[in-house]
Amino acid sequence: GAGVSQTPSNKVTEKGKYVELRCDPISGHTALYWYRQSLGQGPEFLIYFQGTGAADDSGLPNDRFFAVRPEGSVSTLKIQRTERGDSAVYLCASSLPGGGGYTFGSGTRLTVV
Amino acid sequence: SQQGEEDPQALSIQEGENATMNCSYKTSINNLQWYRQNSGRGLVHLILIRSNEREKHSGRLRVTLDTSKKSSSLLITASRAADTASYFCATPPYGGSQGNLIFGKGTKLSVKP
Repeated sequence: GAGVSQTPSNKVTEKGKYVELRCDPISGHTALYWYRQSLGQGPEFLIYFQGTGAADDSGLPNDRFFAVRPEGSVSTLKIQRTERGDSAVYLCASSLPGGGGYTFGSGTRLTVV
Repeated sequence: SQQGEEDPQALSIQEGENATMNCSYKTSINNLQWYRQNSGRGLVHLILIRSNEREKHSGRLRVTLDTSKKSSSLLITASRAADTASYFCATPPYGGSQGNLIFGKGTKLSVKP
């Protein structure tokens, strides 16, 4: 597609529920990144994929968070047993190999009530 | 943890004036990037400056980098109301994962018509 697409744009869930957030990167971008942004803060790194494999998952806060990219394109961020502190905007970005500037999606605003 | 710190946290100017935002970082870098974010959603890549460059221009944007002081500045000339947004600097850790782009907290720019 023309840009990075994230769905849903908004998600409200109850505490303790499971959620999946989807990211569809730009075609041909082998690198894909997930970030989380809280109000008034800069984006916080979660995980980075190069192709199908997670090259760096050091930013995932705990084992409730997991992400996959089975075919090297679409990625899903999965959060189990959601907590109110998980509420944030989850941003996905993609880039060409070798780094450079990232193209971000519009994000998914997750609200845990 | 934050690598880049933007200064000031907020800036309010009149249309037509120039806006200068500063970024300081802590460790050695390969490059430094500036992004713009409207309404707390997706970020837009503005410009990337490499560690061996001192100044770079793109339209009304001018970025400088001083590696001896570990600082960068973003100048927007002849500002417009549409420039109202938050601006972030970001750096990949030197020698670290290219995906672990670390963002500052941003400068919130308001341009009044």
